[in-house]
Amino acid sequence: AQTVTQSQPEMSVQEAETVTLSCTYDTSENNYYLFWYKQPPSRQMILVIRQEAYKQQNATENRFSVNFQKAAKSFSLKISDSQLGDTAMYFCALDNYGQNFVFGPGTRLSVLP
Amino acid sequence: EAQVTQNPRYLITVTGKKLTVTCSQNMNHEYMSWYRQDPGLGLRQIYYSMNVEVTDKGDVPEGYKVSRKEKRNFPLILESPSPNQTSLYFCASSPRQGMTDTQYFGPGTRLTVL
Repeated sequence: AQTVTQSQPEMSVQEAETVTLSCTYDTSENNYYLFWYKQPPSRQMILVIRQEAYKQQNATENRFSVNFQKAAKSFSLKISDSQLGDTAMYFCALDNYGQNFVFGPGTRLSVLP
Repeated sequence: EAQVTQNPRYLITVTGKKLTVTCSQNMNHEYMSWYRQDPGLGLRQIYYSMNVEVTDKGDVPEGYKVSRKEKRNFPLILESPSPNQTSLYFCASSPRQGMTDTQYFGPGTRLTVL
């Protein structure tokens, strides 16, 4: 069975600083996708970044980047130059091709002014 | 506008009264899915559908039914709701075409079962 673990229930960071959210996962598949989704107080689920497991290069999207360590089954999210609008729940998710989607329990991030 | 819509957005009901939460997408996506979100547990998949007339159980299917008679619609049915089904529900869809497997989420349905 696939599992996703986020060991940090809550984190906080000062505005303009950098923060890293941790995610580990377990799967027996070799091909899969990993995602980070953001859920602000509006409850809308917003895709932050996506990583294909076959790609060694870490994905980046503006201030968001990941550290993907396939052998260690680790997928952390780094947010640079944190902004107040980054305050949200962040979910790590695993998608096996043709199978179901698994989310982690989430990390609540607060960006402090 | 490309979107996933859910109705109703909020629902309060009583134990045992059958209800349906509708989900519709206008992006011609093949894959659709239902999740429930509970504090400390993240999102857990209830059912998913790879295409019309093809549905599969997710991690928490007990007490739920789904159908996929048309590509755009994927309703979630609670035949006899119970208080432990009080939750926030999300519908999502995905193209499932090659590498584009990003899921697009609806706005959520807050269900309370008394």
